[in-house]
Amino acid sequence: DPKIIQKPKYLVAVTGSEKILICEQYLGHNAMYWYRQSAKKPLEFMFSYSYQKLMDNQTASSRFQPQSSKKNHLDLQITALKPDDSATYFCASSQEPNTEVFFGKGTRLTVV
Amino acid sequence: QQKVQQSPESLIVPEGGMASLNCTSSDRNVDYFWWYRQHSGKSPKMLMSIFSNGEKEEGRFTVHLNKASLHTSLHIRDSQPSDSALYLCAASRNSNNRIFFGDGTQLVVKP
Repeated sequence: DPKIIQKPKYLVAVTGSEKILICEQYLGHNAMYWYRQSAKKPLEFMFSYSYQKLMDNQTASSRFQPQSSKKNHLDLQITALKPDDSATYFCASSQEPNTEVFFGKGTRLTVV
Repeated sequence: QQKVQQSPESLIVPEGGMASLNCTSSDRNVDYFWWYRQHSGKSPKMLMSIFSNGEKEEGRFTVHLNKASLHTSLHIRDSQPSDSALYLCAASRNSNNRIFFGDGTQLVVKP
């Protein structure tokens, strides 16, 4: 029974398009994160949120925008998609910052 | 810039053998270390955490931490084929919300 739900599981997008990756967690956690993993780069920290506030952004490009409409919800909007954005995007959460991080199953994005 | 270096990149051990994995942070302000395991096609799951100097054991898994050298190691005794996975070391500071991961050690346990 997954406690961190990511949708969709797989996504194919055309270069230049825009997509939104969905994440909801039902662990009652206060901190949420986005990570990205590809063959070229290992598990890469992107964003962290705590109590729905953006705490840290390690993504250089403004094409990546997290959106938190509810405490247990953290979506990731990606605009002007490039083939280099192809990766598995993991949503994660923890009770508080610097406690055990739990990962969702990931969304595998392929940009063609 | 917070960085975590892991070695070796890959490791092959026989079933029943001992696997030893290393991790060093280049960030002198790191406070916490974690070890995660990621099976192929799956998401990472935390194995163990260590925050203070010394050793911590849980079943077949032992972690060591030397805060002075910012080095942690994970040892798996009596390795099983099901232990074959990517082992990720992670570190973070108390002062921020970033948990940085190393590139990982790919462990293969051969029957």
